[in-house]
Amino acid sequence: QSALTQPPSASGSPGQSVTISCTGTSSDVGTYKYVSWYQQHPGKAPKLMIYEVTKRPSGVPDRFSGSKSGNTASLTVSGLQAEDEADYYCSSYAGSSKYVFGTGTKVTVL
Amino acid sequence: EVQLVASGGGLVQSGRSLRLSCAASGFTFADYAMHWVRQAPGKGLEWVSGISWNSGYIGYADSVKGRFTISRDNAKNSLYLQMNSLRPEDTGLYYCVKEIVSYYYYYGMDVWGQGTTVTVSS
Repeated sequence: QSALTQPPSASGSPGQSVTISCTGTSSDVGTYKYVSWYQQHPGKAPKLMIYEVTKRPSGVPDRFSGSKSGNTASLTVSGLQAEDEADYYCSSYAGSSKYVFGTGTKVTVL
Repeated sequence: EVQLVASGGGLVQSGRSLRLSCAASGFTFADYAMHWVRQAPGKGLEWVSGISWNSGYIGYADSVKGRFTISRDNAKNSLYLQMNSLRPEDTGLYYCVKEIVSYYYYYGMDVWGQGTTVTVSS
């Protein structure tokens, strides 16, 4: 049950797009369509941004989108805004009633 | 308002036990799977344990299996985590978290409590 692999950091200027990858294995991301993404600002609880690979909960801007190909899932933030600066974590169902989170990516808005 | 309030954290010596509780309100607790997720100071998120709406499915991270036990009382709208044989590496903020889709276990976690802090000293 190893953590999913994410790049430590990503950045972009306001208005640009940034894409974060999340690499797992055939035991988690590669098999299940249950990948979710979370945004966490310093000192705050995480917030669900994407679930079931591509779905957005109510209230999440459509600037946030998700996708998956093989063992790798991705989160794209389009039209970057200052408030998007945060840590982002992916997560996947891993079978046998288990979940696994990613290592986390710090997004900086330049 | 949907709310999850965790309690029971504290400072404990290595090898001892703690029991975390989570009081849920604002939604039909009995219809949703629930999870515990922890975050060590300055570190990332780690899923600890989850339980389906009817306790029929229960899962644990390899790091806590055999030491932690998750349970729920739907009549009391409460989730619990019994933590035994605690280790310094169990130190962190423990979040009580709700599954987004009722009666399912694996879609994602949409409501997070404020967390309760567990500190295990050696």
